Amino acid sequence: AQSVTQLGSHVSVSEGALVLLRCNYSSSVPPYLFWYVQYPNQGLQLLLKYTSAATLVKGINGFEAEFKKSETSFHLTKPSAHMSDAAEYFCAVIKYGFGNEKLTFGTGTRLTIIP
Amino acid sequence: DGGITQSPKYLFRKEGQNVTLSCEQNLNHDAMYWYRQDPGQGLRLIYYSQIVNDFQKGDIAEGYSVSREKKESFPLTVTSAQKNPTAFYLCASSPPGHTSGNTIYFGEGSWLTVV
Repeated sequence: AQSVTQLGSHVSVSEGALVLLRCNYSSSVPPYLFWYVQYPNQGLQLLLKYTSAATLVKGINGFEAEFKKSETSFHLTKPSAHMSDAAEYFCAVIKYGFGNEKLTFGTGTRLTIIP
Repeated sequence: DGGITQSPKYLFRKEGQNVTLSCEQNLNHDAMYWYRQDPGQGLRLIYYSQIVNDFQKGDIAEGYSVSREKKESFPLTVTSAQKNPTAFYLCASSPPGHTSGNTIYFGEGSWLTVV
């Protein structure tokens, strides 16, 4: 079964510091992996996705993630945190079901930026 | 603009009442989904529909019902059988593509509170 585990429900970084949000997956087949961001009281917005092309995936707002098969990881990074990055971040994997894909989400990581 | 519209944004339900959350999309997507979000638990799939007049149970379908009479619409009814309905509900849609890792797009969500 496909699933993801996000390590750390809360992460705090200083403005300008490196952002690292961790996601590990388990999948019996090559996975499709996603990172979504959610701002308070809003829906989810796609940051980036991995679909078995390049292992380093660049997304919106300066975020990127690297697919590492040997580590079963898909960690999200940003070189320099901005106050506007404060939000909740979800890693997700495609769960193959009958006829169409379904996303299975991690439990989320709340990112706080310290001025 | 194309997108997914959920209404109402905030809804209060009395004990024993059924309530219906609306979800409309003008993206011409075939697949639609309902997720429930609780703090610390990520998103859990309630129901999904791949095509008009067809829908499937997700991981937590008990106490919920849906219909898919039109491609654009996928309303969710929270019945009195749902014992703990207070949550944030997210509707989503995606274009067809069984193994292509197509992006799933989300609405802005609806808050349901039992009073």
